[in-house]
Amino acid sequence: LAKTTQPISMDSYEGQEVNITCSHNNIATNDYITWYQQFPSQGPRFIIQGYKTKVTNEVASLFIPADRKSSTLSLPRVSLSDTAVYYCPVEAAGNKLTFGGGTRVLVKP
Amino acid sequence: GAVVSQHPSWVICKSGTSVKIECRSLDFQATTMFWYRQFPKQSLMLMATSNEGSKATYEQGVEKDKFLINHASLTLSTLTVTSAHPEDSSFYICSARDGTARAQHFGDGTRLSIL
Repeated sequence: LAKTTQPISMDSYEGQEVNITCSHNNIATNDYITWYQQFPSQGPRFIIQGYKTKVTNEVASLFIPADRKSSTLSLPRVSLSDTAVYYCPVEAAGNKLTFGGGTRVLVKP
Repeated sequence: GAVVSQHPSWVICKSGTSVKIECRSLDFQATTMFWYRQFPKQSLMLMATSNEGSKATYEQGVEKDKFLINHASLTLSTLTVTSAHPEDSSFYICSARDGTARAQHFGDGTRLSIL
C-alpha cells in the first residue's frame, strides 16, 4: 500500500489560505487521491478527490502534479471551524485506505 | 449524500464483557465495509475488511477471534469486541464505499471505554 507523508501541524489565521502538501511517492497508476477532514470524536469527512491536474469544489481545491507523487490541498479563506486534522490516504487495491499521520490545522482568530 | 451510521456512539462496560457495534449504510448498498481503530492523537488504523456474505479479512496483527465481524446484509456490518479489556478502549470507526462514487463514507465512530 502507498504510504503518505504530511506535515504534522500548521497554524493559520482566519481569512487566510491554507495549503497542505501530501507526499505519496509510491502511488500506483490506478490510485486516486482523496482528502478527508476529521474533527475530534467524529469520523473523517470527505473533502475532495482527484486523479491528476486540478480539481475544485465548493470548499477546496486539489492540485496534483504530473508525476502524481504529491498533492496539495488548498483551503481558501479559512475560518475557526476549519480547525481539524486533514488526511490524504491513498486508496489501493480492495478499496483499502492507508492513513498517514494527518496534519493538524489550527485556525486562530 | 451517502450516509453511514454507527451505533452506539459511546459505550462504557466492565472488563470481560463483549460489545457489539453496528455500522449501517443508510441510502446505499455496500458489499464491503471497513473497520478502523483510532487511539487518542493518532491516525486511523485499518483493522479489517467486512465482506457481505463471506468472512472478513483482517489486517496483520488484528486478532480475528477478538474482533468478530459479521456482514449479514448489504447495509449492515457489525463488530463485536469479545471479552473486552481496558487496552481495547479506543475509538472505532467504520466506512463504506458507495459504488457509484470513489470516495468512502465514514460513520461518526464509537467511543469504547472498558473499565
